[in-house]
Amino acid sequence: QKEVEQNSGPLSVPEGAIASLNCTYSDRGSQSFFWYRQYSGKSPELIMFIYSNGDKEDGRFTAQLNKASQYVSLLIRDSQPSDSATYLCAGQRYSTLTFGKGTMLLVSP
Amino acid sequence: KAGVTQTPRYLIKTRGQQVTLSCSPISGHRSVSWYQQTPGQGLQFLFEYFSETQRNKGNFPGRFSGRQFSNSRSEMNVSTLELGDSALYLCASSLTAGGAQETQYFGPGTRLLVL
Repeated sequence: QKEVEQNSGPLSVPEGAIASLNCTYSDRGSQSFFWYRQYSGKSPELIMFIYSNGDKEDGRFTAQLNKASQYVSLLIRDSQPSDSATYLCAGQRYSTLTFGKGTMLLVSP
Repeated sequence: KAGVTQTPRYLIKTRGQQVTLSCSPISGHRSVSWYQQTPGQGLQFLFEYFSETQRNKGNFPGRFSGRQFSNSRSEMNVSTLELGDSALYLCASSLTAGGAQETQYFGPGTRLLVL
């Protein structure tokens, strides 16, 4: 069973802090990793993806991938209350995404 | 450019009935994937279509089926509905299929309640 594991949270951070979200995966054949954000009652929206070892930055977001450790993370700098949502990590093999169950992030003003 | 659209947005059915959900991908996108999301199981892959052909299928019973039309629009069908089929059904589209880094964009979903 190919799995993606995430801590369900909630992860609580104060406004302006760095939020760190983590994910591990079991399928070494996964080619890329995606982070989606899902607000309650809404569909997932793409934040960013990463496929090479190391860091990838996009605005306030930084994704990190360590294939040897089978570990993916997402850092959110200067967290805002509007960042409060569930963050979904997904591994991609060919055209199939395998999702973790998500981490709920709560950013308090 | 318009996003992925799904119809209907909400649906209530009774056990034993069947249901058909529709998805229109982003213009120019040829791959459509379907997912089921429930509180207990999270987001699970149902199947993926590209150029009217099912390319991948998840671990769901044969009651779940789908198809894709020549204009890339897709439908999924669930026959003999069970209470456990109550879920948010999400459609995602991407430009092609099978490529790494191929981003999937999700529609708003169809929320199905089976009574």
